[in-house]
Amino acid sequence: EDQVTQSPEALRLQEGESSSLNCSYTVSGLRGLFWYRQDPGKGPEFLFTLYSAGEEKEKERLKATLTKKESFLHITAPKPEDSATYLCAVQTGANNLFFGTGTRLTVIP
Amino acid sequence: DTAVSQTPKYLVTQMGNDKSIKCEQNLGHDTMYWYKQDSKKFLKIMFSYNNKELIINETVPNRFSPKSPDKAHLNLHINSLELGDSAVYFCASSSLRVNTEAFFGQGTRLTVV
Repeated sequence: EDQVTQSPEALRLQEGESSSLNCSYTVSGLRGLFWYRQDPGKGPEFLFTLYSAGEEKEKERLKATLTKKESFLHITAPKPEDSATYLCAVQTGANNLFFGTGTRLTVIP
Repeated sequence: DTAVSQTPKYLVTQMGNDKSIKCEQNLGHDTMYWYKQDSKKFLKIMFSYNNKELIINETVPNRFSPKSPDKAHLNLHINSLELGDSAVYFCASSSLRVNTEAFFGQGTRLTVV
C-alpha cells in the first residue's frame, strides 16, 4: 500500500536556525515527489517537484533533495515568514497526489 | 486572475441537507480533483476527473458526487450531509500531458451542524 510519512509533525526554530524536514515514502510507480507550502486558511502552494534519486532543487532559503526512499526539505537561515505547514506528496501511475500529514513549522523572531 | 477558484469559501448547513461546492480553473488543465482536509490537516484525494475518466477513491461515500459541465469546471455535490462531513474541501487541477504540479483552490470550509 502506498504510504507517505512526514517528520517531525511540528518544528519550532529560532530565526536563522537551519533544519531539515523529512518525507519518507513507499509507493509503486513513483512519477514525482512534490513539496507544497500551506498557510492557514489557504490552499497548498506548489514549491518543488523531484523526479529521480539524486535530484535537488532550490528556491530562496529552501532546498529539496530526493533519494529512493525519502526526500528532505532543508531550510537555511529561516525567517518568520517561512512559518507554514509543509506538505510532501507523491504522484503515482494514476496521476493522483498522495499527501503526507505535513510538518508545521514555526520560526520565532 | 485566480487560477483555481472555489465557491463558497465558507458553508454552514444542517444535517440532512444537500449542498454543492463549485470549482473553476482557468489554466487550461485537463484534469481536476477534489481533496478533503480533515481536522488534523491530512489531505486525502476524493476524486480525479478528466474528460475521459472519473476515478473515485473507494472510501468516499456515494453521497458525494462530482459533476463536470465542461473541462474548466468540476463541482462537488453532497447529499444528506452528516456531521462527519465537516472539513475543508479543496479543488485542484493539473495537466495530464506532462508531470506537472497540481494547483489548488483556496478551499471551502464546510461545517455541518
